[in-house]
Amino acid sequence: DTAVSQTPKYLVTQMGNDKSIKCEQNLGHDTMYWYKQDSKKFLKIMFSYNNKELIINETVPNRFSPKSPDKAHLNLHINSLELGDSAVYFCASSQGTSGNYNEQFFGPGTRLTVL
Amino acid sequence: LAKTTQPISMDSYEGQEVNITCSHNNIATNDYITWYQQFPSQGPRFIIQGYKTKVTNEVASLFIPADRKSSTLSLPRVSLSDTAVYYCLVVQGGYNKLIFGAGTRLAVHP
Repeated sequence: DTAVSQTPKYLVTQMGNDKSIKCEQNLGHDTMYWYKQDSKKFLKIMFSYNNKELIINETVPNRFSPKSPDKAHLNLHINSLELGDSAVYFCASSQGTSGNYNEQFFGPGTRLTVL
Repeated sequence: LAKTTQPISMDSYEGQEVNITCSHNNIATNDYITWYQQFPSQGPRFIIQGYKTKVTNEVASLFIPADRKSSTLSLPRVSLSDTAVYYCLVVQGGYNKLIFGAGTRLAVHP
């Protein structure tokens, strides 16, 4: 059983389009995240939700809007796609944010290519 | 959050022990040291985490000296499948925000 799943795995689209990436976790975790890994392979956190509430919002263009319909899902909608949005987007989840540490479980990634 | 510095790349051979050292001079009292592994075309995977001294699990060992300004990930008897990027992270206690650096690209050769 897949713990953290993302759809689609690959997404190729034109500049200016709007697209969404979906993420689901079946681990019963309270917290979910979105990361972006660019062509230089640097992983950067974008957002984090805890029990459907936004708790981390890094400096990300407002064209990116996360939505969490329930604590098992965190979707990422991107408006007016730009060439620089091309990257691999990873979803992750963890048990929570409190305590000394909470291991994050990552999904397989969605490779977005903007033409 | 404390910045981490680790070698960009390392090479090893099957069956050898690999030690990857990470420096984190500005680590704070409530920070934890965490290591993740990433294979090509996959998301990162947690390996090990510690606060001080030594931690061992079925995959690796983590050595942290008393001053906690550095840490060493030890992979015993590596195999070809251990070829991956290894990230050293300092995680602020109670605040689960992972800041990834460039990582160490480990190549294991036959």
